[in-house]
Amino acid sequence: DAKTTQPTSMDCAEGRAANLPCNHSTISGNEYVYWYRQIHSQGPQYIIHGLKNNETNEMASLIITEDRKSSTLILPHATLRDTAVYYCIARAWAAGNKLTFGGGTRVLVKP
Amino acid sequence: DTGVSQNPRHKITKRGQNVTFRCDPISEHNRLYWYRQTLGQGPEFLTYFQNEAQLEKSRLLSDRFSAERPKGSFSTLEIQRTEQGDSAMYLCASNVQGVDEKLFFGSGTQLSVL
Repeated sequence: DAKTTQPTSMDCAEGRAANLPCNHSTISGNEYVYWYRQIHSQGPQYIIHGLKNNETNEMASLIITEDRKSSTLILPHATLRDTAVYYCIARAWAAGNKLTFGGGTRVLVKP
Repeated sequence: DTGVSQNPRHKITKRGQNVTFRCDPISEHNRLYWYRQTLGQGPEFLTYFQNEAQLEKSRLLSDRFSAERPKGSFSTLEIQRTEQGDSAMYLCASNVQGVDEKLFFGSGTQLSVL
């Protein structure tokens, strides 16, 4: 899996969009970008993934740069329940097995 | 879909004792994964099963650790002769190979070794 780099922490205001950056400059052509989050005392939760096109679901949007060396997870209207650690992972589809988690970004949503 | 279930949620033991954790994956999920997470770190892969076969083990999984999935459904993770360094959250996840590569995680078992 390609190495990913994320800021250690960030704050955002409730009701505003939260933009979480991730750098994956060594990503290979068959590696997808996955985002998971982990709320305190719970297991990680899948958010979204993508290869090269931008993706959107009910939780978030994923914007991947054209060169695929970085991406941004967007939480459109952050709520207090979005306070969590967010992990960006580069992984080949059907790699069959493990996800390699880094340290993630600790996001604190403030009222 | 009742989600991935892990028991117990918390376990406190004395150094040198053996402990066993159980994971019940989402039914019909043929892959099951174990991870370990220490405070402030992301989860680390330990091992995974496809049905009852254990297909990969991390070098983090010392000889004191053993995992089984005898009937391809629930799994157990046993730690023998526990050490204080084994204190961590042990997470289980499951998915269906080739259908949906996202993992579904349980809430974990928090182990404290005194």
